[in-house]
Amino acid sequence: QSVLTQPPSVSAAPGQKVTITCSGSSSNIGKNLVSWYQQFPGTAPKLLIYDNNQRPSGIPDRFSGSKSGTSATLGITGLQTGDEADYYCGTWDTSLYIGRVFGGGTKVTVL
Amino acid sequence: EVQLVESGGDLVQPGRSLRLSCAASGFLFDDYAMHWVRQSPGKGLEWVAGINFNSGSVGYADSVKGRFTISRDNAKNFLYLRMESLRPEDTAFYYCAKDEGSRWYKGYFESWGQGALVTVAS
Repeated sequence: QSVLTQPPSVSAAPGQKVTITCSGSSSNIGKNLVSWYQQFPGTAPKLLIYDNNQRPSGIPDRFSGSKSGTSATLGITGLQTGDEADYYCGTWDTSLYIGRVFGGGTKVTVL
Repeated sequence: EVQLVESGGDLVQPGRSLRLSCAASGFLFDDYAMHWVRQSPGKGLEWVAGINFNSGSVGYADSVKGRFTISRDNAKNFLYLRMESLRPEDTAFYYCAKDEGSRWYKGYFESWGQGALVTVAS
């Protein structure tokens, strides 16, 4: 059971938009910065979004992040077949348990 | 270019020990916190352990606390994970990850290695 909650899967047609929500609590997302990671099958995760809404160099602006309260959202516009992957949100928790936490991951399928 | 190369993954029996290594290059290793993150086959990501830039502070997931030990050698640019009393549920790909900052308890994972497979089975 992951500390952060994501939908198991989302799907849309090429060119459309998908959003992935990541729900947490006041001890993690509510007070800390959120990052997102993209993982293709058989490969290592890759940083996609950091500090809630910042993109590393090389990440297209089709990918966006936002945060409100205890939830964060990843948006992908102009969906491409190459975007089919698993996406994970992450942050750190500062409750009795102190450590890094992830969401359970969301599989994006391009129809 | 940041490079993180894990080694030491193997098939081990329950109750045995194993040490993973991560060779780091392409950045000032002793400026950054480092982590181990694992992923069981077909499952999600789980943070395992983190260590500050100077080894002054470490942190562990509850699932491995007391069994795993993270350490680093800044002179050699290596990160380690000593795993003891291994259990079948420890079976996973173990990724070495570079933090964006110097402290393990906050931040994000800026770069990842390719992973090392640890299988715990009799």
